[in-house]
Amino acid sequence: AQSVTQPDIHITVSEGASLELRCNYSYGATPYLFWYVQSPGQGLQLLLKYFSGDTLVQGIKGFEAEFKRSQSSFNLRKPSVHWSDAAEYFCAVGVGNDMRFGAGTRLTVKP
Amino acid sequence: KAGVTQTPRYLIKTRGQQVTLSCSPISGHRSVSWYQQTPGQGLQFLFEYFSETQRNKGNFPGRFSGRQFSNSRSEMNVSTLELGDSALYLCASSLDTETGELFFGEGSRLTVL
Repeated sequence: AQSVTQPDIHITVSEGASLELRCNYSYGATPYLFWYVQSPGQGLQLLLKYFSGDTLVQGIKGFEAEFKRSQSSFNLRKPSVHWSDAAEYFCAVGVGNDMRFGAGTRLTVKP
Repeated sequence: KAGVTQTPRYLIKTRGQQVTLSCSPISGHRSVSWYQQTPGQGLQFLFEYFSETQRNKGNFPGRFSGRQFSNSRSEMNVSTLELGDSALYLCASSLDTETGELFFGEGSRLTVL
């Protein structure tokens, strides 16, 4: 069965610092991988997605993620965090409409 | 292009009552999925509808039901509400391609007293 693990429940970074959010997945084949962001009281917004090809994918708001098959990982990165990036981030794996989400990582940004 | 619209955004019910939530997908999207989000359990898949048929179902009791209309709009119903049903209910629509990108609404926040 497919599953997603986000090891970090809560991360705090200073504004301007770099960010990496971890995501590990379990799936029988090469999955489709996604990162979503959720601001308080809002729905989820897609940041980026990986289907195939280049393992480094660029997303919106300056985010990128790297797919590493050998580590079953799809970590999200941003070189310089802005205060508006404070939100909850979800990694997801799926095929078609069978989508499984990680538990989420809450990001706090210190001024 | 309008996004996914969920109504109502907020509602308060008491135990034993029932509730119906509505979701209008993005125009052209025929697949609608429902998720329950709670602080303790995270995002849990409820069910997915395509062309008025339920294709997938998560591990929820029969009190949770849904349907989809011919215009792809969907409703979910929860009967005999329990305190533990308090949650943010999210609807997502997609084009039903293999890549399955989901577009989420802002959710309906249900509080059960």
